[in-house]
Amino acid sequence: AQTVTQSQPEMSVQEAETVTLSCTYDTSESNYYLFWYKQPPSRQMILVIRQEAYKQQNATENRFSVNFQKAAKSFSLKISDSQLGDTAMYFCAFIDGGSEKLVFGKGTKLTVNP
Amino acid sequence: ETGVTQSPTHLIKTRGQQVTLRCSSQSGHNTVSWYQQALGQGPQFIFQYYREEENGRGNFPPRFSGLQFPNYSSELNVNALELDDSALYLCASSSGQGAGYNEQFFGPGTRLTVL
Repeated sequence: AQTVTQSQPEMSVQEAETVTLSCTYDTSESNYYLFWYKQPPSRQMILVIRQEAYKQQNATENRFSVNFQKAAKSFSLKISDSQLGDTAMYFCAFIDGGSEKLVFGKGTKLTVNP
Repeated sequence: ETGVTQSPTHLIKTRGQQVTLRCSSQSGHNTVSWYQQALGQGPQFIFQYYREEENGRGNFPPRFSGLQFPNYSSELNVNALELDDSALYLCASSSGQGAGYNEQFFGPGTRLTVL
């Protein structure tokens, strides 16, 4: 069974600094996708960034980038120039190419301090 | 373009009762997935509906059931409620099968409390 592990229950960072959230996953599949979702307090979950396993290049979306290490099954999220609005729960998620089921980690609560 | 909406926002039930949660998918989306998010946990997949048919199910008992309507809106029904069913229930819509190919857009959720 696929599993996603986020080893940092909580993290904090000062505004304008950089923070990295960790995620590891376990699968025997070769075709899969990885995601980072953001869930602000009392607000809807939104997709931050997505990585296709077959792509070697790390995905980037503005201030958000990932470090995808396929052999190590590691998928970390780097947030640069942190902003107060980045305060949220961050979930790492996995889906294999033939499935309909997103598998989530337990999340990391990120607080950006002024 | 209207996003994913869910109703009601909050709900309080007692053990043994039945509950129906509703979800309207985003315009143009034909797939709806339901997730249960217990407090302090990540969402867990309940099931997915694609073009009115169940298209995959997670590790949830049969008392969790669903429907999808011709307009692609969906219902989640839970019978014989248990205390552990207390959670945030999330609905997500997408176009086509499989979130790997198509982004899932989440609704705000329904907070269910079972007393």
